[in-house]
Amino acid sequence: SQQGEEDPQALSIQEGENATMNCSYKTSINNLQWYRQNSGRGLVHLILIRSNEREKHSGRLRVTLDTSKKSSSLLITASRAADTASYFCATDGGSSNTGKLIFGQGTTLQVKP
Amino acid sequence: DAGVIQSPRHEVTEMGQEVTLRCKPISGHDYLFWYRQTMMRGLELLIYFNNNVPIDDSGMPEDRFSAKMPNASFSTLKIQPSEPRDSAVYFCASSLGPSGTYNEQFFGPGTRLTVL
Repeated sequence: SQQGEEDPQALSIQEGENATMNCSYKTSINNLQWYRQNSGRGLVHLILIRSNEREKHSGRLRVTLDTSKKSSSLLITASRAADTASYFCATDGGSSNTGKLIFGQGTTLQVKP
Repeated sequence: DAGVIQSPRHEVTEMGQEVTLRCKPISGHDYLFWYRQTMMRGLELLIYFNNNVPIDDSGMPEDRFSAKMPNASFSTLKIQPSEPRDSAVYFCASSLGPSGTYNEQFFGPGTRLTVL
């Protein structure tokens, strides 16, 4: 079963607007990660947030984590056409020695120029 | 570093044929993952290795799929015999350490497999 579930499944905005994507998960976690996938390419890591962190920033990206609600959000500010991609959250399932990540189904973001 | 390298990038084969996908992880990475991505099922973890040893193969669909990692710089995913429902993009990824201790995964460009 999917650990991470993204919402919405698809999002279309104008360039310059902010984009917010949400992720819910089911089990405890040590960390939650966000990845981007451009069409026809592999996934690229964007940002990692640890379970004891509530917010993290990286450039135009802002990630929040609410472990009590088992949810996270990714905010992309001042979006650009180049941000058009699919975005995935992934969690480790809560075991510190687990190698694997469990990915959600992703949010497809379209930024119109 | 060249990143994770996968070959071939595209593979078209006929049902019943054997298919072998190849992956070279980033040097020094102890973990290697094989994923399959389809529109219907999303991104699925098939198997992962730690220090060349398979740790979790619970995602391998059936006995037609097998994966090996003979050394730290090479892994294969084999499908024999292939079926049309195996058509997907297969990704290889590697990481320095376990995801549970804050390690990100680095993905290859993927192999697009089409089974006719």
